[in-house]
Amino acid sequence: DGGITQSPKYLFRKEGQNVTLSCEQNLNHDAMYWYRQDPGQGLRLIYYSQIVNDFQKGDIAEGYSVSREKKESFPLTVTSAQKNPTAFYLCASSITRDRVNYGYTFGSGTRLTVV
Amino acid sequence: AQKVTQAQTEISVVEKEDVTLDCVYETRDTTYYLFWYKQPPSGELVFLIRRNSFDEQNEISGRYSWNFQKSTSSFNFTITASQVVDSAVYFCAPPHRFGAGTTVTVRA
Repeated sequence: DGGITQSPKYLFRKEGQNVTLSCEQNLNHDAMYWYRQDPGQGLRLIYYSQIVNDFQKGDIAEGYSVSREKKESFPLTVTSAQKNPTAFYLCASSITRDRVNYGYTFGSGTRLTVV
Repeated sequence: AQKVTQAQTEISVVEKEDVTLDCVYETRDTTYYLFWYKQPPSGELVFLIRRNSFDEQNEISGRYSWNFQKSTSSFNFTITASQVVDSAVYFCAPPHRFGAGTTVTVRA
């Protein structure tokens, strides 16, 4: 079955540590995205990538980094510079033609807690 | 600037009642797309519908229907004869942006 796999589902991190969240898709989608969701709030865009080896900052990129070395993979690193990293992180992918987004397919999310 | 507003924070209904969720999208773009997503308690978002600003015809899919009116910048979503499984957070979203979401609780 095609889809997006995020791992791990739950992640605990000590303050001052970097941590990497995995996102893999087998949908052959060109575009991939990372969103952050805080309790009772909507999603905010962290980074997105329209094509391999290229990515752009979203609204809240500070304290995060990404890479897109393969079409299937878009890992997100939460660095120690991120002041309040505890949140639910969602990865998504989409078909994009002529700059038109045809709707996201989401992973099941990673819940990150700083302890 | 673009702004998406879902004014209803929470809606609670009894099973079989209809539920209408409001969404207002303010933009200077003349052409745009809007989406609705459902987030059940499990957390994973599910794509429901995509509409473009050229198409103001109502869309119906089973118990779901959508009414898009460009003149008022509204893209409202109605669940007919609600069921307990409809309990979720529903998001209205232009590309890359999400509204705050409306939490729908359907009681048996």
